[in-house]
Amino acid sequence: GAVVSQHPSRVICKSGTSVKIECRSLDFQATTMFWYRQFPKQSLMLMATSNEGSKATYEQGVEKDKFLINHASLTLSTLTVTSAHPEDSSFYICSAPPLSWASAGGYTFGSGTRLTVV
Amino acid sequence: KQEVTQIPAALSVPEGENLVLNCSFTDSAIYNLQWFRQDPGKGLTSLLLIQSSQREQTSGRLNASLDKSSGRSTLYIAASQPGDSATYLCAPYGYGGATNKLIFGTGTLLAVQP
Repeated sequence: GAVVSQHPSRVICKSGTSVKIECRSLDFQATTMFWYRQFPKQSLMLMATSNEGSKATYEQGVEKDKFLINHASLTLSTLTVTSAHPEDSSFYICSAPPLSWASAGGYTFGSGTRLTVV
Repeated sequence: KQEVTQIPAALSVPEGENLVLNCSFTDSAIYNLQWFRQDPGKGLTSLLLIQSSQREQTSGRLNASLDKSSGRSTLYIAASQPGDSATYLCAPYGYGGATNKLIFGTGTLLAVQP
């Protein structure tokens, strides 16, 4: 089945620095990737949708300049948290949609990245 | 805008019990619905996908049903085990445009006591 590889799994960074999170589709081409954020004991909140070859679409309330999303190729989407602050500490996870809407595969998720800003 | 509600929010049962998790959604014009589990601090594991033409799906001790007209899905877990302890999430989605985003409810936190 489809596999999405997400790195790093954990990262600790200093306040003011930037952190890049990568999601790669290993055995398929993903023209779209969804990025989610999850706070402790809460559900997943959709942040933005990355599209290969065009600008990302951000959900209401998500800062575009803070969370830079790039879909560089059909197998790579990245989320960069710029000038990170402690309140950006969270669990970030990406997801690729089904290869076809008639397939039995459903959405595929990366393993997530735990970001801690100190 | 799709809104997803899961009931109960938390559930604690002794090992061996059969249990039902409920999911309701406001926009019934969906294509498929997917159930996931999430272990603490981990990513999501897909459990079952119910496609548009189906009313239910089964995998081992899990059975999920879908009633699009009423905006409801249930996940039935038979003979629960401590290893089933996790947060269970349902996510309906449409086909194309803004509807193909996975929108999650707050989930059901399940604890199965040995």
